[in-house]
Amino acid sequence: SAVISQKPSRDICQRGTSLTIQCQVDSQVTMMFWYRQQPGQSLTLIATANQGSEATYESGFVIDKFPISRPNLTFSTLTVSNMSPEDSSIYLCSVEDQRMAFGQGTRLTVV
Amino acid sequence: DAKTTQPPSMDCAEGRAANLPCNHSTISGNEYVYWYRQIHSQGPQYIIHGLKNNETNEMASLIITEDRKSSTLILPHATLRDTAVYYCIAPAPMDSSYKLIFGSGTRLLVRP
Repeated sequence: SAVISQKPSRDICQRGTSLTIQCQVDSQVTMMFWYRQQPGQSLTLIATANQGSEATYESGFVIDKFPISRPNLTFSTLTVSNMSPEDSSIYLCSVEDQRMAFGQGTRLTVV
Repeated sequence: DAKTTQPPSMDCAEGRAANLPCNHSTISGNEYVYWYRQIHSQGPQYIIHGLKNNETNEMASLIITEDRKSSTLILPHATLRDTAVYYCIAPAPMDSSYKLIFGSGTRLLVRP
């Protein structure tokens, strides 16, 4: 199945700043997904990113807060904008490659 | 997505079978049942999926009832490394793909 690399693996950021998370896949995929996992919680889908079109956001998530780029079939970025401590979470990307595969996540701490 | 219901936690002894139940009474005819697990601090890992027939792979077996309203994931010989949160998901088809909506899952503890 697809191998997914996420960068950075972890970061500590100041409130009010933004962080861009990169997701690189070793094969071309049509759909990429971004999830958030808050401490002690399950995964919550943020948005679906299809190459060549605007990302589709789930209820409760907006583009101004979580802008997503999908420039080609192997790469996507998620930006967490104007961060607050409530954004401290693990952010994961996933792709459909026969079955859904997940990256190892980016552990974000906002101080 | 069909709603799925799982017990919040279970435990079993190492070497014994772990049977994890899942109710999905509102599942529709074209919705598969997927099982994933998440070991602490790692990304979710695919285990198995099925539509209506029982399935088996190198990791587990999936038993789906004839009416498809429930299923059971079986880890035949649980090891300590199987301690994880297990998610049962019935994603709705989405154009040519589907998306996974995670519930709370079952936290499985395998005891030595």
